Amino acid sequence: KAGVTQTPRYLIKTRGQQVTLSCSPISGHRSVSWYQQTPGQGLQFLFEYFSETQRNKGNFPGRFSGRQFSNSRSEMNVSTLELGDSALYLCASSRGLAMDEQFFGPGTRLTVL
Amino acid sequence: SQQGEEDPQALSIQEGENATMNCSYKTSINNLQWYRQNSGRGLVHLILIRSNEREKHSGRLRVTLDTSKKSSSLLITASRAADTASYFCATGVYYGGSQGNLIFGKGTKLSVKP
Repeated sequence: KAGVTQTPRYLIKTRGQQVTLSCSPISGHRSVSWYQQTPGQGLQFLFEYFSETQRNKGNFPGRFSGRQFSNSRSEMNVSTLELGDSALYLCASSRGLAMDEQFFGPGTRLTVL
Repeated sequence: SQQGEEDPQALSIQEGENATMNCSYKTSINNLQWYRQNSGRGLVHLILIRSNEREKHSGRLRVTLDTSKKSSSLLITASRAADTASYFCATGVYYGGSQGNLIFGKGTKLSVKP
């Protein structure tokens, strides 16, 4: 079974731009969660999608949004990028709830200049 | 918000020694999980222990959970250089219905010297 894939792996953007990251979950997994990882704040939960609906959301500003497609693939979008958005963005999938065992992708390293 | 706090933040040992990492948390949990991350890459799930379990084993890993003290420990026996990584505890918090998510601690950096 193929693992969770994320594209692109690396991104460099400038302040004020927007960015879209993509995640393909493991086949059969309907839950997709997104996390932001920074040295200062660690791993923080962004949101979770299940069957194309946002089921749970972390404490991030509205500039961070996401969606899920009927094939369970998910995208997250960050608008009006700030320097502090530089981070490793991790996607994870699971069969059921976002608190179950998560299977993580390799991440997208976003650098905002 | 961080719920899990790992201790120590960094641990350096020799190959063959045992490594013990601790995790404390604040709220009620459904489960507690441990993950490993190598050099800023994706996380790998190691083990999940449910709130009604006290101990679990998987290969060289042993996890304990004490819900009265809101703490857990991960023991890696006979460490190898390949175990060098960051280890995170994650608490599975259930909010009701189909809502729940994992809250991660900041991790323990383990270095195993050959």
